[in-house]
Amino acid sequence: AQSVTQLDSHVSVSEGTPVLLRCNYSSSYSPSLFWYVQHPNKGLQLLLKYTSAATLVKGINGFEAEFKKSETSFHLTKPSAHMSDAAEYFCVVSDPRAGNQFYFGTGTSLTVIP
Amino acid sequence: ETGVTQSPTHLIKTRGQQVTLRCSSQSGHNTVSWYQQALGQGPQFIFQYYREEENGRGNFPPRFSGLQFPNYSSELNVNALELDDSALYLCASSLWGPLWNEQFFGPGTRLTVL
Repeated sequence: AQSVTQLDSHVSVSEGTPVLLRCNYSSSYSPSLFWYVQHPNKGLQLLLKYTSAATLVKGINGFEAEFKKSETSFHLTKPSAHMSDAAEYFCVVSDPRAGNQFYFGTGTSLTVIP
Repeated sequence: ETGVTQSPTHLIKTRGQQVTLRCSSQSGHNTVSWYQQALGQGPQFIFQYYREEENGRGNFPPRFSGLQFPNYSSELNVNALELDDSALYLCASSLWGPLWNEQFFGPGTRLTVL
């Protein structure tokens, strides 16, 4: 079975400081992992994805994530937060054996303080 | 390239009624997945359609049903609405294939059941 745990429901950072959003996954097989962002009243936008290539994945808007199999983690980071980063972030695992059904975490709400 | 569109954007129904939500896939995509996102939660997989057939289903009762049309657009139908069906319903399209894993989401339909 596939599942995702987002360890923080809310994260608050000051503008210009680093961002760390934590995600642990459970998967019986080599998973594909994603981070999506959801701004208020907007659809889900893909930030980045891991699909068994390089373990350090770079995404849009300066975000990156590192796949660590030994820790079953896929934490999202950004060196310097911007006000526009305030949003809800979802970690997602998919199982290619199950039609690539997406399993979402419960989300982390990021607040950026000016 | 046209993105995923959904209609209507908002809908208010009463308990016991039936509702139909619509989704147009991104150009070139042949697979559609539907998700329910309750307030403050991550999206939950309802079902997926490929080649007009249901190709995977989450833990939702049979009163949730769907269709996919030859042009790959899709409908989600919910019968006998309950208060707990109030949620944001998201449609995602993708391309079935060996490299298929990314899903592109529409902005969603906000359903309120009174």
